[in-house]
Amino acid sequence: QVQLVQSGAAVKKPGASVKVSCKASGYSFSSYDIHWVRQAPGQRLEWMGKIHAGTSNTKYSQNFQGRLAFTRDTSATTVYMELTSLRSEDAAVYYCARSPRTLDGFDVWGQGTMVTVSS
Amino acid sequence: DIQMTQSPSTLSASVGDRVTITCRASQSVGRWLAWYQQKPGKAPKLLIYDASTLQNGVPSRFSGSGSETQFTLTISGLQPDDFATYYCQHYHTYPWTFGQGTRVDIK
Repeated sequence: QVQLVQSGAAVKKPGASVKVSCKASGYSFSSYDIHWVRQAPGQRLEWMGKIHAGTSNTKYSQNFQGRLAFTRDTSATTVYMELTSLRSEDAAVYYCARSPRTLDGFDVWGQGTMVTVSS
Repeated sequence: DIQMTQSPSTLSASVGDRVTITCRASQSVGRWLAWYQQKPGKAPKLLIYDASTLQNGVPSRFSGSGSETQFTLTISGLQPDDFATYYCQHYHTYPWTFGQGTRVDIK
């Protein structure tokens, strides 16, 4: 079945980087955008950006000011999200999600990856 | 950025009730709007896209309406499985943004 499976929880120190993976299966990987959304404790969902798995075209939210990068490995049908210069405010659950069309809701979500930032 | 505001923030209801949640956009998003259901510790689940199109597999008691800046999600006949938090999200222009959520709990 169509699914996105993310890497496990991570604990990082302030100033470090984190890289989260999102492995896709059950559909044509290169045909879709994969978006990243995060949710800090008790907060609303926050859209971070997206990558087209086929073209590698990316779009980032300005809220991350150059700290964010998406990459993909088509042979592994995996998308990666790397966030650098971590701050305590970056502690959140990070989700990858698929959008069937360029402008669309997210029909398939990963299970989420909890990132803890603590000294 | 387009701001999305939901009301109410919390709603207490009983099984069988008809429930309506409102989402207002700070500027027009056309019909580029989705609704999600989220349960604690789980990823959101897409219910409605393009303001009123029901996602495959979602029960017909869920419906969406609206356009431009005002949208509603209606649950006709609340079921025990529906107690959750609901979010709206626009996908009109980047950055896509979400409402703050509406928690539906048991009266």
